[in-house]
Amino acid sequence: LAKTTQPISMDSYEGQEVNITCSHNNIATNDYITWYQQFPSQGPRFIIQGYKTKVTNEVASLFIPADRKSSTLSLPRVSLSDTAVYYCLVGPRVRGYQKVTFGTGTKLQVIP
Amino acid sequence: GAVVSQHPSRVICKSGTSVKIECRSLDFQATTMFWYRQFPKQSLMLMATSNEGSKATYEQGVEKDKFLINHASLTLSTLTVTSAHPEDSSFYICSARVRQLGYTFGSGTRLTVV
Repeated sequence: LAKTTQPISMDSYEGQEVNITCSHNNIATNDYITWYQQFPSQGPRFIIQGYKTKVTNEVASLFIPADRKSSTLSLPRVSLSDTAVYYCLVGPRVRGYQKVTFGTGTKLQVIP
Repeated sequence: GAVVSQHPSRVICKSGTSVKIECRSLDFQATTMFWYRQFPKQSLMLMATSNEGSKATYEQGVEKDKFLINHASLTLSTLTVTSAHPEDSSFYICSARVRQLGYTFGSGTRLTVV
């Protein structure tokens, strides 16, 4: 399983764009990159998933360079409700199952 | 779609008693579920992997006899914390793999042992 490294914490003012980068140097060919958001006392929630280049949905964008050794989650115009821990996970999207190991995550604090 | 319902959301029990936590996949079949434990301000730690109809696979350092996992059907997995002690107080989360999306997680159970 590819190990991931993220900044432990980040602060941002409301309305700003936030970019959280995750390093995954030993990502495998069939690995996908998935980001989750976790609020206190809640289970993680899926945000976005990608394999290469750029993926965008209604809440975030995911940028993945050609070598795929890192990825950046971009949250446009954050609000106070985006204060949470964000986890980057790397693993294959195959039949059956693959256990997932969580890294430390990045605690994002949005400041008014 | 792909919702995992976890109950109870919080439970307080006396030391020495057992507590059962349930996770149900509501709109899909989960042949495999994962159980995590999360202490305050820490990341999720995988405890075990439960497979429908077979024995669970436990991570190193997790006591099988203390954390009993049952996955009797394709939609239900349970974690029973036996003879609970204060140090077992934690946030327990289940998850199931959902094809194409990755994983979906339950809402978690806050266990407090007094």
